[in-house]
Amino acid sequence: AQSVTQLGSHVSVSEGALVLLRCNYSSSVPPYLFWYVQYPNQGLQLLLKYTSAATLVKGINGFEAEFKKSETSFHLTKPSAHMSDAAEYFCAVSVSTGTASKLTFGTGTRLQVTL
Amino acid sequence: DAMVIQNPRYQVTQFGKPVTLSCSQTLNHNVMYWYQQKSSQAPKLLFHYYDKDFNNEADTPDNFQSRRPNTSFCFLDIRSPGLGDAAMYLCATSRTSRGLQPQHFGDGTRLSIL
Repeated sequence: AQSVTQLGSHVSVSEGALVLLRCNYSSSVPPYLFWYVQYPNQGLQLLLKYTSAATLVKGINGFEAEFKKSETSFHLTKPSAHMSDAAEYFCAVSVSTGTASKLTFGTGTRLQVTL
Repeated sequence: DAMVIQNPRYQVTQFGKPVTLSCSQTLNHNVMYWYQQKSSQAPKLLFHYYDKDFNNEADTPDNFQSRRPNTSFCFLDIRSPGLGDAAMYLCATSRTSRGLQPQHFGDGTRLSIL
């Protein structure tokens, strides 16, 4: 079975500061991992994905994540936060059920960016 | 641009009055998903279609039904909405069922129950 733990339901950073959102996973098979962002009253937008190629994955909007098998982690980072980064962020692990690419989501982290 | 489109964005219905939410996609993806998302929670998968094959989640209430008349369209029917069904409903697609395929989400329909 797969599961995802996101440490910190709320994270607050100053504009220009480093963003670090934590994600740890549990998977019985090599995982496929995703980060999604959700702005208020919108759907989920794919930020980046890990599918067993490079362990450092670059995504949109300046975000990146590093897959660390030894730590079962896939933390999301951005060197310099912008006000427009304020949103809900979901880490997810995916597994094929044969008929679906099924996502197991973490509980989400709300990022607040202050001046 | 290829995308997933949900209509309407906001829907208000009365307690017990059937309601239908719609989703269309121009991605030509095989798999379509419906999620329910309540405030400050992660999306919860209700069911999905692999092509025309319907797959229900074990804990999805019977009150929720779905139709996929063709590749492009998928509908969510709530037969007798209760107050607890007020939520954001998200439609998503994936090209195949392989785990490495990301899901592409629409902007959702926010359902309110009076």
